[in-house]
Amino acid sequence: DTAVSQTPKYLVTQMGNDKSIKCEQNLGHDTMYWYKQDSKKFLKIMFSYNNKELIINETVPNRFSPKSPDKAHLNLHINSLELGDSAVYFCASSQEATGLRPGGPEAFFGQGTRLTVV
Amino acid sequence: GQQVMQIPQYQHVQEGEDFTTYCNSSTTLSNIQWYKQRPGGHPVFLIQLVKSGEVKKQKRLTFQFGEAKKNSSLHITATQTTDVGTYFCAGWGSGTYKYIFGTGTRLKVLA
Repeated sequence: DTAVSQTPKYLVTQMGNDKSIKCEQNLGHDTMYWYKQDSKKFLKIMFSYNNKELIINETVPNRFSPKSPDKAHLNLHINSLELGDSAVYFCASSQEATGLRPGGPEAFFGQGTRLTVV
Repeated sequence: GQQVMQIPQYQHVQEGEDFTTYCNSSTTLSNIQWYKQRPGGHPVFLIQLVKSGEVKKQKRLTFQFGEAKKNSSLHITATQTTDVGTYFCAGWGSGTYKYIFGTGTRLKVLA
């Protein structure tokens, strides 16, 4: 069983289109994330949800709208796609939202969605 | 905001040579994790360090957490072609819910 699964794996679309990426985790984790990885491999956090509530929104354009119908799912909808949105998008989950306790939890990643905007 | 930088950004080594990547945070970390991402793959958790000055080993990999809990290192002894990938450190932003990744070090091993 895949712990964190994303669909689709590849997405090629034209500028101006709207697209969604779905993510599901079966680990029973409370926290889910979206990260964007650019061509230089930098991993930048976009959003973080804890128990379906948005807790981090990292200066992401409002064309990006995450939705968490339940704590096992975190989908990402992108409106009016631009060339600069081309990247690999990773969904991840962890047991809890904070590393304030000494044994802070690690994150489990999905396989990634390679988005290409043409 | 908090930044986590890694050096070097890229490293090419001959198979059998050693490799080290350094991770530096602008603020104190409660703990630090290391991940490996193979080419075309996703980041996979390797290890977590919690205590100041902690050293942990996994076969040929040695991880160290600095005394001030603001830096860390990963050392690979006698690299193999299977070590190819990007290595990330990660930690929690001070007093926030932000899980921040370092800038990564991309390792290539030449056979």
